Amino acid sequence: RKEVEQDPGPFNVPEGATVAFNCTYSNSASQSFFWYRQDCRKEPKLLMSVYSSGNEDGRFTAQLNRASQYISLLIRDSKLSDSATYLCVVNPFGNEKLTFGTGTRLTIIP
Amino acid sequence: DGGITQSPKYLFRKEGQNVTLSCEQNLNHDAMYWYRQDPGQGLRLIYYSQIVNDFQKGDIAEGYSVSREKKESFPLTVTSAQKNPTAFYLCASKNRGPSSGANVLTFGAGSRLTVL
Repeated sequence: RKEVEQDPGPFNVPEGATVAFNCTYSNSASQSFFWYRQDCRKEPKLLMSVYSSGNEDGRFTAQLNRASQYISLLIRDSKLSDSATYLCVVNPFGNEKLTFGTGTRLTIIP
Repeated sequence: DGGITQSPKYLFRKEGQNVTLSCEQNLNHDAMYWYRQDPGQGLRLIYYSQIVNDFQKGDIAEGYSVSREKKESFPLTVTSAQKNPTAFYLCASKNRGPSSGANVLTFGAGSRLTVL
C-alpha cells in the first residue's frame, strides 16, 4: 500500500458546484497534513494545513479523520481559477521527510 | 522578498553528461529538499538535508548527488548514471521542528531538464 494515495481524477465540475476529494495515508502515526495546489508546469504552493479539528479558509474546508486515516478537501462555489492539481502531503514519520500523493486533477467547466 | 531561486529554468543535456542544478534560498530555512516530478506523476524525493554538511537519500537517490556546504545552497548533480533524467526538478525548503507550521514547504519555480 502506498504511504499516501489520491484519486488522480480528472474531476470535471461545473462552475459554482461543490467538489470534494479525499486522500488516504497508511501510517497511523502521521503528524502533519497539508493540501498543496499545483498549476500546470508550475511549482506546488501551499493551499492549507489540515488541523485535527478541521479548518476553513474561505471556500475551502479541510478535514482530518484519524480513525479512517484520510484527509479531505471541500471546495464550495467553485471558480474557473480553481482548476489545478491538488496534492495531499503527509509527514508520516514525524521527521523532516514529507510524502506527496500523486495529486487529483480538477477542471472547472464554464 | 524571501524565496527560493532555482537555475537554470530549462536545461538540455546530451546523454552521458553530468549537469548541476542550482538551488538558493534566503528564507533562513534549515532543511532543504530535491524532488523530481514526471508528467502526470506526484513528487518523488531525491535527497534532503536538515543541516549544513549533512544530507540523506530520499526514495530515488540513485544517479544523483548533492552537497550542502552553505545553509542557503543545496545544488543537485544529475550524473550520467541516472538512466532516465528527463523530468521537472523542484527544490524546496522549510524550517525544522515538529509543529505544523514548521513543516510547510516552500518551493522554487523548478528546473526542467531534457536529455537529448
